[in-house]
Amino acid sequence: AQSVAQPEDQVNVAEGNPLTVKCTYSVSGNPYLFWYVQYPNRGLQFLLKYITGDNLVKGSYGFEAEFNKSQTSFHLKKPSALVSDSALYFCAVRGLTGGFKTIFGAGTRLFVKA
Amino acid sequence: EAGVAQSPRYKIIEKRQSVAFWCNPISGHATLYWYQQILGQGPKLLIQFQNNGVVDDSQLPKDRFSAERLKGVDSTLKIQPAKLEDSAVYLCATCRRLNTEAFFGQGTRLTVV
Repeated sequence: AQSVAQPEDQVNVAEGNPLTVKCTYSVSGNPYLFWYVQYPNRGLQFLLKYITGDNLVKGSYGFEAEFNKSQTSFHLKKPSALVSDSALYFCAVRGLTGGFKTIFGAGTRLFVKA
Repeated sequence: EAGVAQSPRYKIIEKRQSVAFWCNPISGHATLYWYQQILGQGPKLLIQFQNNGVVDDSQLPKDRFSAERLKGVDSTLKIQPAKLEDSAVYLCATCRRLNTEAFFGQGTRLTVV
């Protein structure tokens, strides 16, 4: 069965420090992986994706993520956090078998302190 | 490019009543998803369409929920009868191809009282 785990409910980081939001997945075969951000009373916004190729992918607002096949992980990172990065972050996996359905993790709330 | 349109934005109904949500996808997007997002949780996939065919509805409570996608474009999600635990935001998302990201609508916030 396809699943996504975001082990941390909340991540706290000081502004200017690097941040990491963790994601691990379980899927048959090769996955497509995505990160989305959700601000209060707003819809989900796409940040970045891994489809194939370079394991390090760069996305919007200075975010990047590294695909690690052996560890089945796709952690979201940013070298220097901003207060405005405070939001709810979701990791998603799309399996390439069984209908290509896209499953989301439970989310991680990022709090950046000034 | 216009985004995914959903209506209504908000709906309050009493339990055992029926309700319908509507989604208009981005033009040319073949895949359409309906998700249920309960407060504080991640989106839960209810049903996935590829054009006007159902690809996956394994998480759809079929005794009360139904969905259709008209001519492979607009989609409606219906709940009949509603229960208190159906209170959630219902999100529609679409993507152009299977290797592209999904775009989400603003969602419909349903409150069942």
